[in-house]
Amino acid sequence: GIQVEQSPPDLILQEGANSTLRCNFSDSVNNLQWFHQNPWGQLINLFYIPSGTKQNGRLSATTVATERYSLLYISSSQTTDSGVYFCAVGHSYNQGGKLIFGQGTELSVKP
Amino acid sequence: NAGVTQTPKFRVLKTGQSMTLLCAQDMNHEYMYWYRQDPGMGLRLIHYSVGEGTTAKGEVPDGYNVSRLKKQNFLLGLESAAPSQTSVYFCASSYGWEQYFGPGTRLTVT
Repeated sequence: GIQVEQSPPDLILQEGANSTLRCNFSDSVNNLQWFHQNPWGQLINLFYIPSGTKQNGRLSATTVATERYSLLYISSSQTTDSGVYFCAVGHSYNQGGKLIFGQGTELSVKP
Repeated sequence: NAGVTQTPKFRVLKTGQSMTLLCAQDMNHEYMYWYRQDPGMGLRLIHYSVGEGTTAKGEVPDGYNVSRLKKQNFLLGLESAAPSQTSVYFCASSYGWEQYFGPGTRLTVT
């Protein structure tokens, strides 16, 4: 089945720093989503981005589908950005278009 | 517009007890899903539904049953809980490819 790998696994930043998180996937996808799991465990939708570039405030994402990777950029990080960032892909209509999750990047932003 | 809601938020069960987790969505989505999240395993699909009255198995369906009697609700049942079912359970819904997640239910089986 399709493999999803995220890097780095852990990241510690000082408040105000910028960061780039990467997601590699092993096959073509119809869906790619980025989520933030906050310290309370909630999964927050950040981007639906099977291809192209999107921006939302301090966050932006780019997916290069032909090269099978996606990048999540966080600029001017804040302590509230702490948590785990997941990339998840949808490969086919098999199993209802289920999402296959990467292992996540755990981000800690220090004041 | 509440999105996807889950009931209850927390539950502790003894081995062998049964319970039902309720997921509700108010976005008129056709597709609904139940995932479980375990440390080091990411999220895995338990069961899913492509419409009212339909259900199907996902990756890890054993020990669970589901029902979708109404379009807006998707129920996950544990008939005889086991410690291996200790996990965080997430419900999701979608219209196209993009999935929207509920806040999760933390279940502990002792």
